[in-house]
Amino acid sequence: RKEVEQDPGPFNVPEGATVAFNCTYSNSASQSFFWYRQDCRKEPKLLMSVYSSGNEDGRFTAQLNRASQYISLLIRDSKLSDSATYLCVTFNTNAGKSTFGDGTTLTVKP
Amino acid sequence: GAVVSQHPSWVICKSGTSVKIECRSLDFQATTMFWYRQFPKQSLMLMATSNEGSKATYEQGVEKDKFLINHASLTLSTLTVTSAHPEDSSFYICSAGPAGSSYEQYFGPGTRLTVT
Repeated sequence: RKEVEQDPGPFNVPEGATVAFNCTYSNSASQSFFWYRQDCRKEPKLLMSVYSSGNEDGRFTAQLNRASQYISLLIRDSKLSDSATYLCVTFNTNAGKSTFGDGTTLTVKP
Repeated sequence: GAVVSQHPSWVICKSGTSVKIECRSLDFQATTMFWYRQFPKQSLMLMATSNEGSKATYEQGVEKDKFLINHASLTLSTLTVTSAHPEDSSFYICSAGPAGSSYEQYFGPGTRLTVT
């Protein structure tokens, strides 16, 4: 079993749709959590950190449930420019390293 | 924001040759840099953690003698792929975090290596 598992996707949605991505992690020592966005043949870029209290950045909302070891990302009013692969990432402070999920690919169509 | 550069951005080499990839933090000092490899349609896999002034820590299954890492200064880490083979063809990405930050990471633009 992978340490970080994501929805396999791909997600193909029309513009304006709301889409949700799920992620589960198995290492209870993980202490920080993030969503990254990766465009084709580019490096990952930080989208947002994820907190237990939930956090929102414009059309993006991230949520962490430590008890269930579950992370989510909600995108509202999808734009064409949201098309990318979204990576769920955990960070283990003790080990000092990050673990990446395989990513979920989103394609937003006109 | 913090900027990390990589050089070269792409390289094609013949089987058996060695390739050096540089990772630089341009506007901050990084005591730790990470080297990842990403195959098509797969996620980033951590290869090693590069520590300034000390030996790198390699992940299980990564050959330290094949992937040589040197982190000689607080702004530069290098990865040398020795005796490259076609199966080493991949997207190599480094990341760096500012000194004092335990988790903040900034990624370089990546180096696409093709071994023929």
